[in-house]
Amino acid sequence: GAGVSQSPSNKVTEKGKDVELRCDPISGHTALYWYRQRLGQGLEFLIYFQGNSAPDKSGLPSDRFSAERTGESVSTLTIQRTQQEDSAVYLCASSFVRGSNEQFFGPGTRLTVL
Amino acid sequence: AQSVTQLGSHVSVSEGALVLLRCNYSSSVPPYLFWYVQYPNQGLQLLLKYTSAATLVKGINGFEAEFKKSETSFHLTKPSAHMSDAAEYFCAVSDESSASKIIFGSGTRLSIRP
Repeated sequence: GAGVSQSPSNKVTEKGKDVELRCDPISGHTALYWYRQRLGQGLEFLIYFQGNSAPDKSGLPSDRFSAERTGESVSTLTIQRTQQEDSAVYLCASSFVRGSNEQFFGPGTRLTVL
Repeated sequence: AQSVTQLGSHVSVSEGALVLLRCNYSSSVPPYLFWYVQYPNQGLQLLLKYTSAATLVKGINGFEAEFKKSETSFHLTKPSAHMSDAAEYFCAVSDESSASKIIFGSGTRLSIRP
């Protein structure tokens, strides 16, 4: 597709369940980012993938959060044993890692943990 | 280390009035600077970017921003606000040395009064 896509657009889950969020970056973009945006707040960096390099996981808030990326394509963000404080919009972005490194964002997944 | 400060978490202007959203950055090397806009329930969209060409950058929807190195600022302006400009605006910085992360400000919510 022409842009970054994310699925599902909305996810409601019960506390303690695991969830998996998906991101399809723009074809050819080597870098992929996950961010969390709590209601009324700014972007919180979670994790960054660049090609075959080890991912930068410095923003993951706890060991319940993990992410994988298959080559330079799809990425999944997994949250295990969800808590109510995990409720947020999870945004994915991709970019070429050269030049200005402009990031292109997906529409996000709104996660609600009951 | 890079950082971005957006002064004012909420700005309210009347329709037709000047819009001014403030952004100051810190970077040890010449930066790339961005403004992103987030409309309600949507992902982030690039408004404009500075990449060391002209210091006055024109973006979409009549917005522009001026890079002022002496003031380490990249304020966003629009001469005449429109109701459709109501959104969250994020300033961001990256540079060639980081080549990966973009650091986002905490955001400024712009409200337009009729």
